[in-house]
Amino acid sequence: EAAVTQSPRNKVAVTGGKVTLSCNQTNNHNNMYWYRQDTGHGLRLIHYSYGAGSTEKGDIPDGYKASRPSQENFSLILELATPSQTSVYFCASGDGSTLYFGAGTRLSVL
Amino acid sequence: GEQVEQRPPHLSVREGDSAFIICTYTDSATAYFYWYKQEPGAGLQLLMSVFSNVDRKEEQGLTVLLNKKDKRLSLNLTAAHPGDSAVYFCAVSPQGTGSKLSFGKGAKLTVSP
Repeated sequence: EAAVTQSPRNKVAVTGGKVTLSCNQTNNHNNMYWYRQDTGHGLRLIHYSYGAGSTEKGDIPDGYKASRPSQENFSLILELATPSQTSVYFCASGDGSTLYFGAGTRLSVL
Repeated sequence: GEQVEQRPPHLSVREGDSAFIICTYTDSATAYFYWYKQEPGAGLQLLMSVFSNVDRKEEQGLTVLLNKKDKRLSLNLTAAHPGDSAVYFCAVSPQGTGSKLSFGKGAKLTVSP
């Protein structure tokens, strides 16, 4: 089974600070995704990537950047964190039609 | 874009009973359908995937029904046990977009002994 590892697992940030969430996958999947999960909204797609060097905007990209420097790594960057970005963030990888999720990063922006 | 509605948001059943969750979607071109399970503090675990040419799929006490005419997907857990307590998400993927999924908002299932 695909291994998707997120770091950190928990993060507390200050408003206006920069936050980087990291994701690593070891199964050589081309596609990687960042979602956020909020009560009442389910999972919403922020950014995704079809391979190294590519990033695409998802459904809610505002306030976020993404970086895919290699096949294995996909980062989500909050340049100026805001309290509304307090959430649980999930990274996923996949090829074809199946996604494999990491365990999530709980981010609190104070 | 695709809209996925899931209901009920919460359900409670006794051990041994069945639990039934429904999702509806809007895009008639949707081709791939998924059910995921999320346990507390964990990521999403794929339970079952169904392609659009399948109307019914059963695996290990789970039954997925797909009604393309009504754009409805359902999950039935037969003989639920406390270990099935979790949040269940449906997800759909339209043709041509690989694994870019649209998710329902989730259904929290509680199975009591």
